[in-house]
Amino acid sequence: DAGVTQSPTHLIKTRGQHVTLRCSPISGHKSVSWYQQVLGQGPQFIFQYYEKEERGRGNFPDRFSARQFPNYSSELNVNALLLGDSALYLCASRGADTYEQYFGPGTRLTVT
Amino acid sequence: GQNIDQPTEMTATEGAIVQINCTYQTSGFNGLFWYQQHAGEAPTFLSYNVLDGLEEKGRFSSFLSRSKGYSYLLLKELQMKDSASYLCAVRSPRSSGYSTLTFGKGTMLLVSP
Repeated sequence: DAGVTQSPTHLIKTRGQHVTLRCSPISGHKSVSWYQQVLGQGPQFIFQYYEKEERGRGNFPDRFSARQFPNYSSELNVNALLLGDSALYLCASRGADTYEQYFGPGTRLTVT
Repeated sequence: GQNIDQPTEMTATEGAIVQINCTYQTSGFNGLFWYQQHAGEAPTFLSYNVLDGLEEKGRFSSFLSRSKGYSYLLLKELQMKDSASYLCAVRSPRSSGYSTLTFGKGTMLLVSP
């Protein structure tokens, strides 16, 4: 079975640009969460979606937005990129009958 | 607020036993996770504790004391491949009724020959 997939793997953007990151959850998983992990730190919660509705939002500015599609895949959008947005962006999915979150390989975003 | 503390770095020798501690202060508690993360890779699930006590899974064990806000991950018979960052994460309920994970900064474990 395919695990959580994310695209792209790596991305380089310049300040002020916007970026869209994509995530496909494990088949059957309806909950998707996004995390930002800066080098040397633990992942920090950004968003959680379930059944296409936002269920939680972390302490991130409005430049960050996300959505979930009918097939439960998800997009994370970041506008007006700052140098500090450089990080590994992780997507995790969870099934209805489990507490465990399964993480994707992440997208490494570099803002120059 | 949410606060999760764990040591930044630890070193140990191949074949030895190491204990990685985690203390937490969170608004609400629905369980505590331990994840392993190798450099440049995604976190992988190791253990989940929601009740007090010890959970054993092969070479890895995890302990939880909810009254003390304390957990530890015990790694036995250390192998070189255990060199990684170990993340403690607390699951907490939100006003929406759903729970989210708050991670500590991670403990970098270096296993030497």
